[in-house]
Amino acid sequence: DQQVKQNSPSLSVQEGRISILNCDYTNSMFDYFLWYKKYPAEGPTFLISISSIKDKNEDGRFTVFLNKSAKHLSLHIVPSQPGDSAVYFCAASYTSGTYKYIFGTGTRLKVLA
Amino acid sequence: DGGITQSPKYLFRKEGQNVTLSCEQNLNHDAMYWYRQDPGQGLRLIYYSQIVNDFQKGDIAEGYSVSREKKESFPLTVTSAQKNPTAFYLCASFGAVGIYNQPQHFGDGTRLSIL
Repeated sequence: DQQVKQNSPSLSVQEGRISILNCDYTNSMFDYFLWYKKYPAEGPTFLISISSIKDKNEDGRFTVFLNKSAKHLSLHIVPSQPGDSAVYFCAASYTSGTYKYIFGTGTRLKVLA
Repeated sequence: DGGITQSPKYLFRKEGQNVTLSCEQNLNHDAMYWYRQDPGQGLRLIYYSQIVNDFQKGDIAEGYSVSREKKESFPLTVTSAQKNPTAFYLCASFGAVGIYNQPQHFGDGTRLSIL
């Protein structure tokens, strides 16, 4: 039972355009959501997060949107740069005291120069 | 410079052999985690520990063991009972138990292969 899903395994975008990565979740108890970026043979790097009390969080070129009714979050990267090419994981957790994070399967973004 | 150090970066295991992956953090974080990543799959939780001398099984703990004798260290042993150990293993830590909504920080991983 996959509680966090990234249905697009890959995405290609032209440099300078917007990249939109999507993530769906099934557990309505999740109240904290994160995006990580991962290069090959390296550990994931934290990118941006959002709490369930918000519907948008912005940090430079990166914006995360949360739609609780649809159980959907998305990451927008504007403008996309070749250095953004990586695998992006979304993750979710809830304040149950276990401090567990559930990860999606990742979306490989390729930004074309 | 604070961070999480995983060693070795590459590890080879012979059939029937136990191997131990090291994870050390100097971030003074309370909680530590081990994940396994396989191609096309997300990060799956093996074990996690919220405090010293305590740890819990994750979703795929069979064939693995851990210890948490020091706050800084959370080694993972891949035992011979783990029949499909070839994967990329990631260690992570998390700041302070009792404070929610914090990101995990990751090491650079260990790639384990079978000889």
